[in-house]
Amino acid sequence: AQTVTQSQPEMSVQEAETVTLSCTYDTSENNYYLFWYKQPPSRQMILVIRQEAYKQQNATENRFSVNFQKAAKSFSLKISDSQLGDTAMYFCAFMKHPGGGADGLTFGKGTHLIIQP
Amino acid sequence: EPEVTQTPSHQVTQMGQEVILRCVPISNHLYFYWYRQILGQKVEFLVSFYNNEISEKSEIFDDQFSVERPDGSNFTLKIRSTKLEDSAMYFCASSPRGQGYNEQFFGPGTRLTVL
Repeated sequence: AQTVTQSQPEMSVQEAETVTLSCTYDTSENNYYLFWYKQPPSRQMILVIRQEAYKQQNATENRFSVNFQKAAKSFSLKISDSQLGDTAMYFCAFMKHPGGGADGLTFGKGTHLIIQP
Repeated sequence: EPEVTQTPSHQVTQMGQEVILRCVPISNHLYFYWYRQILGQKVEFLVSFYNNEISEKSEIFDDQFSVERPDGSNFTLKIRSTKLEDSAMYFCASSPRGQGYNEQFFGPGTRLTVL
């Protein structure tokens, strides 16, 4: 079974600052996907960024980038030039490489990110 | 842009009652999922569904739960005899297919309150 750990229950930064959210995971799988989901107060789950484990290059999506360290089983999210709209719960999630079934995502407990004006 | 929809947004029920949560996945998607999020806790996978049968399920998905695709558009989660601990947000998701990477698109959730 996989586990995902987010050790920061809450973080607060000033607008325009850069913030890094931490995530570690444990798995015996070699091929898998990692995700960061954003859950604003509306509760809708929104995919922010994904990383395939077989890719060494870190994924980037505009102001969002990841630091994927496969050997250390670490997957952090960096948000640059943070904006008020980034205020939300952020969940790190794991999905093993599908082997025929529709596997679900395994989520961490989340980090509540607050962007202060 | 197509999206997953869920009804109702909030359901209040008495302990022991049956509830049905409804989802309309994105129309050309083939895989469907239910997740649960107890307040303040992480999102947990319940079940996935493909080709009119359960594909994977977690240990949470016991005999009191069932899923169904009664027609070409709806995907439902039934809880037979609700317990207080079933109070949670229930999210439906769908993806184009399960093999290889395919993004799971989430609905807005149904908040279930069991009294």
